[in-house]
Amino acid sequence: NAGVTQTPKFQVLKTGQSMTLQCAQDMNHNSMYWYRQDPGMGLRLIYYSASEGTTDKGEVPNGYNVSRLNKREFSLRLESAAPSQTSVYFCASSGRAGGPNTGELFFGEGSRLTVL
Amino acid sequence: AQSVAQPEDQVNVAEGNPLTVKCTYSVSGNPYLFWYVQYPNRGLQFLLKYITGDNLVKGSYGFEAEFNKSQTSFHLKKPSALVSDSALYFCAVRDFGSDTNAGKSTFGDGTTLTVKP
Repeated sequence: NAGVTQTPKFQVLKTGQSMTLQCAQDMNHNSMYWYRQDPGMGLRLIYYSASEGTTDKGEVPNGYNVSRLNKREFSLRLESAAPSQTSVYFCASSGRAGGPNTGELFFGEGSRLTVL
Repeated sequence: AQSVAQPEDQVNVAEGNPLTVKCTYSVSGNPYLFWYVQYPNRGLQFLLKYITGDNLVKGSYGFEAEFNKSQTSFHLKKPSALVSDSALYFCAVRDFGSDTNAGKSTFGDGTTLTVKP
């Protein structure tokens, strides 16, 4: 099993450009998440999807959109990139509470985005 | 609202000595608490969790954590540190809310553990 797979691993954008980060999980998890990691600020939740067909805003949703394409895939889109969106982005998934892996998140390897 | 505090940005210990990485939390209701480890240029990996039951939880790589409800703490510990334990450690609290699928995790800012030979 690959777990959680994110693409691309690295990306450089110019201010105003758009791009989509892709995420897929093969663990049959219901919930998927997008976090950003900035030095000294831990991980901050951008958007999450509790189940297929639903998405909700997290702590820092401005400037981002998401799509839960199916149970496996959850994409993050930057419509008009800004330098403040330079960060490392992590996708994560988790199973249903009460299941064998109750509550813990499984993370991808991250996508490093630089906006010039 | 839920929150997590990791009061130390950096913890330095000598190899073979015990280590403690501190975490305190704030959450309404019963907390679900987690520790994750991140190695350079990698994603976070799950170490251990407290859901219910024994206050001392054992996890991967010889780590354990003690849940203390009265002090709202969940400190990570290891009896004998290894150089390979050097990494960034995150404490997290999860709220399952009214829908057991919807739980969002809130993370602390992380503590860098350095174990010196």
